[in-house]
Amino acid sequence: GDSVTQMEGPVTLSEEAFLTINCTYTATGYPSLFWYVQYPGEGLQLLLKATKADDKGSNKGFEATYRKETTSFHLEKGSVQVSDSAVYFCALSHPSSASKIIFGSGTRLSIRP
Amino acid sequence: EPEVTQTPSHQVTQMGQEVILRCVPISNHLYFYWYRQILGQKVEFLVSFYNNEISEKSEIFDDQFSVERPDGSNFTLKIRSTKLEDSAMYFCASGTSGGAAPDTQYFGPGTRLTVL
Repeated sequence: GDSVTQMEGPVTLSEEAFLTINCTYTATGYPSLFWYVQYPGEGLQLLLKATKADDKGSNKGFEATYRKETTSFHLEKGSVQVSDSAVYFCALSHPSSASKIIFGSGTRLSIRP
Repeated sequence: EPEVTQTPSHQVTQMGQEVILRCVPISNHLYFYWYRQILGQKVEFLVSFYNNEISEKSEIFDDQFSVERPDGSNFTLKIRSTKLEDSAMYFCASGTSGGAAPDTQYFGPGTRLTVL
């Protein structure tokens, strides 16, 4: 079945460092891909998405490119801030079951001032 | 900004007891969902609900689970006889459209269920 694998955390970086969180997926056909973020004490929020190959999703300085050839959707940010500390979830939705989101296990990110 | 709320934030129960987890979706939403995350594992889809019916459910959602929209505002998940393995964070979500483009799913902060 469809699945998402993302790098394990926690990831700890200094402020202004470059961030990459790896995500790969397994799915038939052409899923839509997402990154969700969960700030402490809050719910899951959609951060960005891409719905077809080579699409780049971006939001709040974060970017991820849908790479069908490598089945990847890595999250990147050029200069992280303390306020980016959160748990990040990679996810997919398959057209055959679009009401269901399939999540990765989440990566906890901590940014040191 | 409207948000999905969940109560309680943490529920502790004894094995075999019934629990009801409550969610108040965003008021004009029509599609409702439950997900769960066992500690250290993935967030898993449980069930989706529309027009007072279950529209899709996972294999996790067995006869011990039920969902209900008892009034115009609440959406509940009931576990009839809890097991140790039901200990998890349970997330409620609501959305404006189904077969939902998932960016229309708005998530609550979760209820942590601990079964002793």
